[in-house]
Amino acid sequence: QKEVEQNSGPLSVPEGAIASLNCTYSDRGSQSFFWYRQYSGKSPELIMFIYSNGDKEDGRFTAQLNKASQYVSLLIRDSQPSDSATYLCAVSSTGNQFYFGTGTSLTVIP
Amino acid sequence: DVKVTQSSRYLVKRTGEKVFLECVQDMDHENMFWYRQDPGLGLRLIYFSYDVKMKEKGDIPEGYSVSREKKERFSLILESASTNQTSMYLCASSLQLLAGDKNIQYFGAGTRLSVL
Repeated sequence: QKEVEQNSGPLSVPEGAIASLNCTYSDRGSQSFFWYRQYSGKSPELIMFIYSNGDKEDGRFTAQLNKASQYVSLLIRDSQPSDSATYLCAVSSTGNQFYFGTGTSLTVIP
Repeated sequence: DVKVTQSSRYLVKRTGEKVFLECVQDMDHENMFWYRQDPGLGLRLIYFSYDVKMKEKGDIPEGYSVSREKKERFSLILESASTNQTSMYLCASSLQLLAGDKNIQYFGAGTRLSVL
């Protein structure tokens, strides 16, 4: 079982819609959770991190964490074509190991 | 802003060559990491370092070595490059290993290495 699982997609949404990206993790002791965006041919850049249950909002982005279900998600409101990228979920687990999912490819259709 | 700089964006080498990939960070971070990224496999950790001259193997250390002589610089060495080492190599750094916002990893731009 992989430490961090993401649906690879591709996920397509129309411009202006809400994109919902999901991630599950296996280590119940995990403490910190991150979402990175990676454009094709570029390196990952951090867009959100969360470590408390519930929602965290930053502009059009909302990260949601449910530790009981070992589930973290990223919502992108008012999706724009510039949001088209691969989104990587990362988890910092017990022992301070840092694990990345393989990413979900998002395409926003104009 | 954190800046992680990798010395080359693109590199072409021949099989058997010794290859050095350099990474420098300017934020006095304790930890530095080397990953490779391949389609469908995601990011895989090669080595990381939590202090000068200290290193730990990651998930795929075979065929690689690292060097950290100064806090700001972490080098990845391919002792004898092979075609299966053709990949995107990403360097990252973080302030601490302890969970929380201080263990956010910041990435360099990446080096796309082709071994012919």
